[in-house]
Amino acid sequence: GESVGLHLPTLSVQEGDNSIINCAYSNSASDYFIWYKQESGKGPQFIIDIRSNMDKRQGQRVTVLLNKTVKHLSLQIAATQPGDSAVYFCAGNVKSGGYQKVTFGTGTKLQVIP
Amino acid sequence: GAVVSQHPSRVICKSGTSVKIECRSLDFQATTMFWYRQFPKQSLMLMATSNEGSKATYEQGVEKDKFLINHASLTLSTLTVTSAHPEDSSFYICSATPRGGLAGGSTDTQYFGPGTRLTVL
Repeated sequence: GESVGLHLPTLSVQEGDNSIINCAYSNSASDYFIWYKQESGKGPQFIIDIRSNMDKRQGQRVTVLLNKTVKHLSLQIAATQPGDSAVYFCAGNVKSGGYQKVTFGTGTKLQVIP
Repeated sequence: GAVVSQHPSRVICKSGTSVKIECRSLDFQATTMFWYRQFPKQSLMLMATSNEGSKATYEQGVEKDKFLINHASLTLSTLTVTSAHPEDSSFYICSATPRGGLAGGSTDTQYFGPGTRLTVL
């Protein structure tokens, strides 16, 4: 069925190191992917997105890689900081008949060790 | 840009009462608004999708008579939890997609509100 899932539930990273969060998706019709950051007790915050016609997109300290062949995307955070500690969700978007549906992965908790 | 607010941020109510949660896009007009539910340490579960002026589309398993959604304008959607019970206690989050997209952004990007913590006693 349609699903977007993550490999690791928790990731601990030393401050200053790079973080890589992975995500696998199952729906080939997904044409748009987004990474969100959610801090405790708050709503998800948009980080970066990528369309299916791209394989890489860079933002400020973040990079998203998309591999459509194996249905995998990743979020790379450079020089991880304590403020990066949060739960990260990948989400896949499918449009069908003008109706948009976004499916969220299960989330990865990133813990930054000072 | 792309600020979405929710009100209230927290609400505690007695079992059997109804609770209304508001979702507003503050600096853009929203083509579509979404309502999600999130349990502790779990992902977001889409409850329904609403377009301004039309009936909401509910996901399978979500009772439309229990979770009433009204999308009165391009900047406001409300979720009313009717006859709330303790099992309805959860974190409710709304999101909105900008009409025409934001500068440099996509019309598909959802911007989320801060969430509403509902506790039913």
